[in-house]
Amino acid sequence: QQQVKQSPQSLIVQKGGISIINCAYENTAFDYFPWYQQFPGKGPALLIAIRPDVSEKKEGRFTISFNKSAKQFSLHIMDSQPGDSATYFCAASVGGYQKVTFGIGTKLQVIP
Amino acid sequence: NAGVTQTPKFQVLKTGQSMTLQCAQDMNHEYMSWYRQDPGMGLRLIHYSVGAGITDQGEVPNGYNVSRSTTEDFPLRLLSAAPSQTSVYFCASGTGASEKLFFGSGTQLSVL
Repeated sequence: QQQVKQSPQSLIVQKGGISIINCAYENTAFDYFPWYQQFPGKGPALLIAIRPDVSEKKEGRFTISFNKSAKQFSLHIMDSQPGDSATYFCAASVGGYQKVTFGIGTKLQVIP
Repeated sequence: NAGVTQTPKFQVLKTGQSMTLQCAQDMNHEYMSWYRQDPGMGLRLIHYSVGAGITDQGEVPNGYNVSRSTTEDFPLRLLSAAPSQTSVYFCASGTGASEKLFFGSGTQLSVL
């Protein structure tokens, strides 16, 4: 039973397009929502994170949108580039970096 | 700065064999954890530790043991390997100062 549901499992986007990955959660105690990026053969690395006191956070081409009432959050990658091709995991936790629960991951492919 | 180091990178075991996956971090992080990554299931927490001498179970602890005798090391033991334990294992550490997990590069384990 997934505590954090992520979709789609795979995504193909053309260079310059917008990549959108969606996540939903059930546990209302979650108060920290990070996104991790993983390249083949590597461990995941933190990309961007948000707390529920804000509805949006932007870092460069990456934006998290957060809807507390719907218990949903999403990652938008603007002007997607081939170098963004990776697996993206949404995640959630209570309090921060401990006992982080991950979604199933989205494999993103950005084609030229 | 090495970060989180996992050994070995690859391992093949026969059913019933035992082995220890090693994890060491040089960042003085109090928190360390083990995840397994399986296709379609994302990253699932096996065990975690909030400091030397303190360990606790995660989401999928059965078949695995851990100990934390020092701040730096957090080995994961498989006492009697089963094919269901075929997976990629990641060790991660963290601290409140950065509120993110630092992952190692993983151990790919196959149990035949």
